[in-house]
Amino acid sequence: DGGITQSPKYLFRKEGQNVTLSCEQNLNHDAMYWYRQDPGQGLRLIYYSQIVNDFQKGDIAEGYSVSREKKESFPLTVTSAQKNPTAFYLCASSRRLTDTSETQYFGPGTRLLVL
Amino acid sequence: RKEVEQDPGPFNVPEGATVAFNCTYSNSASQSFFWYRQDCRKEPKLLMSVYSSGNEDGRFTAQLNRASQYISLLIRDSKLSDSATYLCVVNFRLNAGNNRKLIWGLGTSLAVNP
Repeated sequence: DGGITQSPKYLFRKEGQNVTLSCEQNLNHDAMYWYRQDPGQGLRLIYYSQIVNDFQKGDIAEGYSVSREKKESFPLTVTSAQKNPTAFYLCASSRRLTDTSETQYFGPGTRLLVL
Repeated sequence: RKEVEQDPGPFNVPEGATVAFNCTYSNSASQSFFWYRQDCRKEPKLLMSVYSSGNEDGRFTAQLNRASQYISLLIRDSKLSDSATYLCVVNFRLNAGNNRKLIWGLGTSLAVNP
C-alpha cells in the first residue's frame, strides 16, 4: 500500500532539546510539506520541498529546519529556538508543487509535547 | 478580511438531514479548491476537489461561485459517520511565475446526531 508515514506518533521534548520528526512517503511524489496545527488555528506551512536537495521556508519556519536528501524522506527538526513547539505536526506530499490541481495527501501526524 | 473564511459551527443535525457549508475566499486569482475532512486528532483527508462549476460524489456536492468568491459543500442524507471537521482549501497563484500558495480555512465542525 502506498502512503505517507510519520513517526513517532507522540514525542516529548525537554527544554533546550532538538527533536526530529520523521516523514516518509512511497507515493513517488516530488513535493513534500510540513504543517503545524494548533487548536483553533488552520494548518500553517512550516517548510516545503519541490525536489530532492531543495526546500523553501513556509509561513512559520523560524525555529525549524528540514532536509531533503532522498525523494521519499523529508525530516523536520524542531530546534530549541522554537519557543512554542507544542502542536500537531502534519507531513504531506503531492505529485508536483507547480500544478494547481495537485492535491496533498497527509501522514497520520506527530503530536509534540514539551515537558 | 481573512484569505479563507469558514463558519466554525458546530452544525448539529439529525441523521438523514441535508446540511451545507460555505467557504469564502478573498483572492480572485484563486485557481483551485478542495474540501478536506478531518476527524478528531487525525490527519486531514481529501474529500473532494472543486473545479469549474463544481462536482458531485455520491451524497456530497461541491459548488464553486467565482463571481461571489465562495465554494460550498452540500451533504445529503447525513450519516453519523459524517461527523467531523470540514476544511476548505484554496490554491492561488502568487505572481506571474509558478509560485502558488495553499490557504487552509479553520474548518467547520459537523455533528450528526441519532
